Amino acid sequence: SSKLTQPASVSVSPGQTARITCSGDGLTNQFTHWYQQKPGQAPLLVICKDNERPSGIPERFSGSSSGTTATLTISGVQAEDEADYYCQSADSTATYYVFGSGTKVTVL
Amino acid sequence: EVRLLGSGGGFVQAGGSLSLSCAASGFNFRNYVMTWVRQAPGKGLEWVSSIGGSGRTTYYADPVKGRFTIFRDNSKNTFSLHLNGLRAEDTALYYCATGDFINYFDYWDQGTQVTVSS
Repeated sequence: SSKLTQPASVSVSPGQTARITCSGDGLTNQFTHWYQQKPGQAPLLVICKDNERPSGIPERFSGSSSGTTATLTISGVQAEDEADYYCQSADSTATYYVFGSGTKVTVL
Repeated sequence: EVRLLGSGGGFVQAGGSLSLSCAASGFNFRNYVMTWVRQAPGKGLEWVSSIGGSGRTTYYADPVKGRFTIFRDNSKNTFSLHLNGLRAEDTALYYCATGDFINYFDYWDQGTQVTVSS
């Protein structure tokens, strides 16, 4: 896996759509996973394998991936979605993992 | 219900050693890759080390290679990280984590603090 680059911050009004990108050369042949982390809490998996939503994650969270860029989309953003978001990937045999630099989502 | 409970950690002088442990329950522990992830104060997540289900395969991030050792005891459903040669930059909250699929992490503990004084 290689370095994963995310924007430092994204601001969005309630009800609007937030899109967070994650770029890295290794993403062309590896899955991207996404975590939400609120202050003082452990990370929470919100999207796995590019676009799968774990049980209990609201439908407004979705993911996509194309080429060297993966995207986490939060549709109809709510105040409770304000958090840091990290992308993550791994090599095919999970001998090496990498996290993105993280994106702070602010709900205006 | 899957539960991970980390312990150990604390305050240590640079060059010193510490051990972290993580007790697991609610899943077939010996079938899961177990991982340590850390987060320095105000910084992002950083993968540290992983160990395969049997304990025979271990993997380390470059910054800790040769200084940290990961191991597990499947009879006790625990895995541990021994931290040697600690540096100020190792100061972080250390999470133990695992997942139903080896490439990501469904389950995390609440983290164990390691503080290294220079």
